[in-house]
Formats: sequence, structure tokens, C-alpha cells
Amino acid sequence: QVQLVQSGAEVKKPGASVKVSCKASGYTFTSYGISWVRQAPGQGLEWMGWISAYNGNTNYAQKLQDRVTMTTDTSTSTAYMELRSLRSDDTAVYYCARNLYCSSTSCYENGFDYWGQGTLVTVSS
Amino acid sequence: EIVMTQSPATLSVSPGERATLSCRASQSVSSNLAWYQQKPGQAPRLLIYGASTRATGIPARFSGSGSGTEFTLTISSLQSEDFAVYYCQQYNKGYTFGQGTKLEIK
Repeated sequence: QVQLVQSGAEVKKPGASVKVSCKASGYTFTSYGISWVRQAPGQGLEWMGWISAYNGNTNYAQKLQDRVTMTTDTSTSTAYMELRSLRSDDTAVYYCARNLYCSSTSCYENGFDYWGQGTLVTVSS
Repeated sequence: EIVMTQSPATLSVSPGERATLSCRASQSVSSNLAWYQQKPGQAPRLLIYGASTRATGIPARFSGSGSGTEFTLTISSLQSEDFAVYYCQQYNKGYTFGQGTKLEIK
């Protein structure tokens, strides 16, 4: 069965960086992309960006593009999201989610069909 | 950026009744629209994609409709497990979520 398992909770000081991992199993990792979505306490969902597990292409949300880097390691089927220069308003649960299936000829977007369990990142002095 | 606006913010409905949730896009997103359900402490769950296609394992009481800028999620006969927060998401140009509709027990 498809699973996305994320790394554990983090506590960081303002100005620091955090790197969250998302290990995929149960499907061909390179056939899909991974999106990252965050949710501040009591708030809605915010899409942060997407990475192709096939070729590493990325697409970041404009408001985060100067501070976020997404990468993948195909040898371990793991995606990573690093956020730098953390601020208090970066405190949130961070989710990875599978999306955008690509065959050899076409890509198909059918929503974010599998999600990780979430990683709480707390930014506090 | 395409802005997604959901209404109402909170909807109170009795079990067994029908619930209708709305989502409006600031510009056309064609049928590139998904709906998610989120319960407290859980990750979101995909319900509908392509505006009207149910995701794998989603009960038939959930249905989606609309295209362009106006979309609706209908839950035909509410079960106790359906009370949650629902989000719409466009994926026509980048990805953006609505602010959510909380479906609560009346």
C-alpha cells in the first residue's frame, strides 16, 4: 500500500533552518511528484511547492521561493523540504503529498491522493 | 495567483440531511478542482478530483459538480463521520486552496 512517512517534530530558533523528510513506499517513486503543504495552528492549507521525483524539477510558491529548497533521493525514495531563515509564523504542521503522475508521454494531475502524517515545526526563541 | 473562496465558513446540518458546500475561483480553472476532507489531528483526505470524479474508496454520497469558476460539493445523507473541515483546491495554474468550510452537527 502507498505510504508517505515523515520525520519527527522539530523545535527551532528564529533564523535557523529545518529539513523535513518524507519516505515513500508502495509505488514507483519516480512516476509521481511530491508537493509540500503546511498548516499553521487553527488555519487552512498552504501549498509550498512541488518537486518531480523523476527529474528534480521544482515549482515553488512565490512567497517562499527565496527560503525553500525541495530535493529528492531516488535511491531511498525520499523527498526533502528545507526551509531557511525561520520565523515564528513558520510554526506549522508540514505535510508531504503525492501528486502529478507522469508516464513516458504525458502527465496527469488527479489531486493530492496520498499524504504523510505531518511534521510539527515549532519556531520559538 | 488564483484565489479560491469557500462558502459558508461554517455549515450546521443534521445527520441524514444533505449538505451543499460552495467554492468559487477568482478566474476560470476549467475542471481542475479537487475537494479534501480534514478531521482534527489528521492529514487531509482526497475526496474529489477533476471537479466531479470520486477518489478511490470515497462513498457515493459524496459528489462534486461545476466548472470554470463555480463548484459544489454535495454530501447526500450526512453520516456522523462526515463532520469535518472541507477544502477545495485548484490545480489549473499552480495550486491554491480555499480557506475551508467547517461542517458541524446541528
